[in-house]
Amino acid sequence: AQSVSQHNHHVILSEAASLELGCNYSYGGTVNLFWYVQYPGQHLQLLLKYFSGDPLVKGIKGFEAEFIKSKFSFNLRKPSVQWSDTAEYFCAVNTDKLIFGTGTRLQVFP
Amino acid sequence: DAGVTQSPTHLIKTRGQQVTLRCSPKSGHDTVSWYQQALGQGPQFIFQYYEEEERQRGNFPDRFSGHQFPNYSSELNVNALLLGDSALYLCASSWTGFTGELFFGEGSRLTVL
Repeated sequence: AQSVSQHNHHVILSEAASLELGCNYSYGGTVNLFWYVQYPGQHLQLLLKYFSGDPLVKGIKGFEAEFIKSKFSFNLRKPSVQWSDTAEYFCAVNTDKLIFGTGTRLQVFP
Repeated sequence: DAGVTQSPTHLIKTRGQQVTLRCSPKSGHDTVSWYQQALGQGPQFIFQYYEEEERQRGNFPDRFSGHQFPNYSSELNVNALLLGDSALYLCASSWTGFTGELFFGEGSRLTVL
């Protein structure tokens, strides 16, 4: 069965620091990959997605992610975080249903 | 354009009771998925409904059942509630040709005492 692993459960950064959140999935076939974000008090929303083509995908609010097929990874990055990026981030993989990782809680301090 | 709406937002039940949660999908969407999110965990897939039928199911017991109506709205029913069923239940909608891009509601917070 497919699964998603997020290595960082809780990340604390200062504003302007760089961010990289790890995500690995286990599935041998073709997958679609996603990052969802949940801001405090809000519903889950799509941050970015990868279906095919350029393995470096860009999402909203300056986030990007790189798909590395050989490593079964889809890490999320942002060069300079802001206080407003404080949220919970979920990596997800879609085969015939969308499977989520356990999430990474990001706290950004001014 | 209304997004995904869920009701109720919060509810408290006791062990052994039954609960029904409701979801209206985003306008134009015909597929509804339900997820359970326990505290500190990622959303766990329960099942997905399309054309009023259960299309996919996760690893949840038969106590969890659902329904989709002709207007695409959906219900999640949980029978014989256990303490471990306490969680946030999320409804997500999408359109035919599901690509994994889901639109989520704010959830129904269920507490089982």
